[in-house]
This record gives sequence, C-alpha cells and structure tokens, in this order.
Amino acid sequence: GENVEQHPSTLSVQEGDSAVIKCTYSDSASNYFPWYKQELGKRPQLIIDIRSNVGEKKDQRIAVTLNKTAKHFSLHITETQPEDSAVYFCAAEGQWQAGTALIFGKGTTLSVSS
Amino acid sequence: GAVVSQHPSRVICKSGTSVKIECRSLDFQATTMFWYRQFPKKSLMLMATSNEGSKATYEQGVEKDKFLINHASLTLSTLTVTSAHPEDSSFYICSARDQASGNYNEQFFGPGTRLTVL
Repeated sequence: GENVEQHPSTLSVQEGDSAVIKCTYSDSASNYFPWYKQELGKRPQLIIDIRSNVGEKKDQRIAVTLNKTAKHFSLHITETQPEDSAVYFCAAEGQWQAGTALIFGKGTTLSVSS
Repeated sequence: GAVVSQHPSRVICKSGTSVKIECRSLDFQATTMFWYRQFPKKSLMLMATSNEGSKATYEQGVEKDKFLINHASLTLSTLTVTSAHPEDSSFYICSARDQASGNYNEQFFGPGTRLTVL
C-alpha cells in the first residue's frame, strides 16, 4: 500500500521568509496530492492540491510542485506570516485495506515568528 | 466549499459506556464518508470507509465490533464506540467527498469530536 513520508517535522522561520515542506510517496499509481493546514483542535483545511498530470500549481503565496518520476511533492509558502503557523499535512490518495482514501504524512509544525 | 458537520464536538464518558458520533454532509450528498482517528500531535489514521447502504470497510487493526459504522443515508454516517475504554480517547474526524463537484478527489473534513473516556 501507499506510504507517505514528510519532512521536516518542525520548521521555524522568521516572518517574511519562505517555508518548504517535502513529502515522498511510494505508490506510483497515486494521482492526487492535497496539502492540509490544521490548527490546534480544528479540522484539517485544504490549502492546495495537485494532480499527477500537473507539475506545479500556485495560489497566491502557496505553491505545490510534483515530481512523478522521483515520487515527491513539496509545499512552498512565500512571505510567511504569523497566521501561517499551524501543522501542515501532505497526503496522497492511495490504497488502504479500507479502500481508496487519503494517506497522510506525519505532519510539519510550522512556526512563524514576527 | 462543501460543509461537513460532526456532533458532538466533545464528549466525556465513563469506561464501559457507548458513544455515538454523527457526521453529516450539509449541502451535498456523499455516497462515501471516511472516519479518521488522530492522537495528540500525530497524523490522521484512517479507521474505515463508510459506504451508503452497505457495510463499512475497516482498516487493518480496527475492530469492527468496537467501532460500529452506519451510513444509512447520503448525508449521514455514524460511528459508535462501544464499551469505550480510556485508550479509545482520541480525536475522531470524519470526511466526505462531494462527487458532484468538479474536484471529485477533494475530501471535506468535519470539525472533529474529542472523546475522553474516564
């Protein structure tokens, strides 16, 4: 089945700097890769996603890149702000015993200090 | 985007009791819903896939008789934690896909239910 690795587990940056979070996946059949932001005690919120037929996608300060050959994808946040502080999860749609569903990375705690 | 609600948001119960958690898609129909469990500072782990009108499909290691899932309508799935024990204390989150939307892969998450078993 699918396995998703995420690095780093924690990331501290100064306001205005860029932040990059990287994920790798194992199942070459996976074709959907979302990124979620989760604040403490809240639901995960989709911030950007990418499909396997696209190499890069951007939405204002957030961008995601996908390298299908290497099976890795990355989240890029530019001009970080304190409100970007949260836990970020990458995910890949893959096969669980329970069916096709999202398999999540272990999360990255991003801290943006002003 | 599509909205998913969960009820209750927080529940505290005694060991041995059963707790029912509801997950509703408010403005769309969901033939498939997902139940996840999240421990503090950990990732989301899939427990089961809930399919409307049929039995849920459980992930390896998840006890079917302990975590009863019912998906009786296109907008409601329920998770019942039977004979709860302290080790069942966790954050339970459901999600659903809006298959009528343009982004058929996107999953919309409920706000989660914090279960504490004393």
